[in-house]
Amino acid sequence: RKEVEQDPGPFNVPEGATVAFNCTYSNSASQSFFWYRQDCRKEPKLLMSVYSSGNEDGRFTAQLNRASQYISLLIRDSKLSDSATYLCVVKGAGRRALTFGSGTRLQVQP
Amino acid sequence: EPEVTQTPSHQVTQMGQEVILRCVPISNHLYFYWYRQILGQKVEFLVSFYNNEISEKSEIFDDQFSVERPDGSNFTLKIRSTKLEDSAMYFCASSDQGSMGIQYFGAGTRLSVL
Repeated sequence: RKEVEQDPGPFNVPEGATVAFNCTYSNSASQSFFWYRQDCRKEPKLLMSVYSSGNEDGRFTAQLNRASQYISLLIRDSKLSDSATYLCVVKGAGRRALTFGSGTRLQVQP
Repeated sequence: EPEVTQTPSHQVTQMGQEVILRCVPISNHLYFYWYRQILGQKVEFLVSFYNNEISEKSEIFDDQFSVERPDGSNFTLKIRSTKLEDSAMYFCASSDQGSMGIQYFGAGTRLSVL
């Protein structure tokens, strides 16, 4: 089983749509959770950290369900500039290595 | 905004040659990392470095790889004898804390081994 699993997509959505991405992780001892965004051939950039209580940053909402080992990202009112690959990232307790999922590609269309 | 800088942006080398990839982490960060991403695949952890020593490494980081902080600003990744399968994008990252810190990535060095 993959350590971090994501639906690869692509998700093709019109501008203004709401889109949700899901991610599951296999290590129940994982401690920290993030969503990074990666544009084509560029570096990963932190979008947001994910907390058990859920957190929101503008149009972006992230949720963590530790019992189900499941992380989600909701994007509301999609913009063309949201087109990218969204990476689910997990860090184990006491570890420094980030474990990346393969990413979910989003294409927002006009 | 402070950033991690990497040089060169693209390195072309012949199989069997040694390469050194260079990184300048964010200035007040103490924890440094290398990751790689083979084209079309996920980002993979290679090594983390703190207080002038390796603190964690993956199975990818074998004897062909080494890291060094030769001075107060640079952090390097050396590949001793490159193989075709070393062709990838190599990302350097840094953080101000260890296990709790957010890692910020440089723009990467694309390594092409011919």
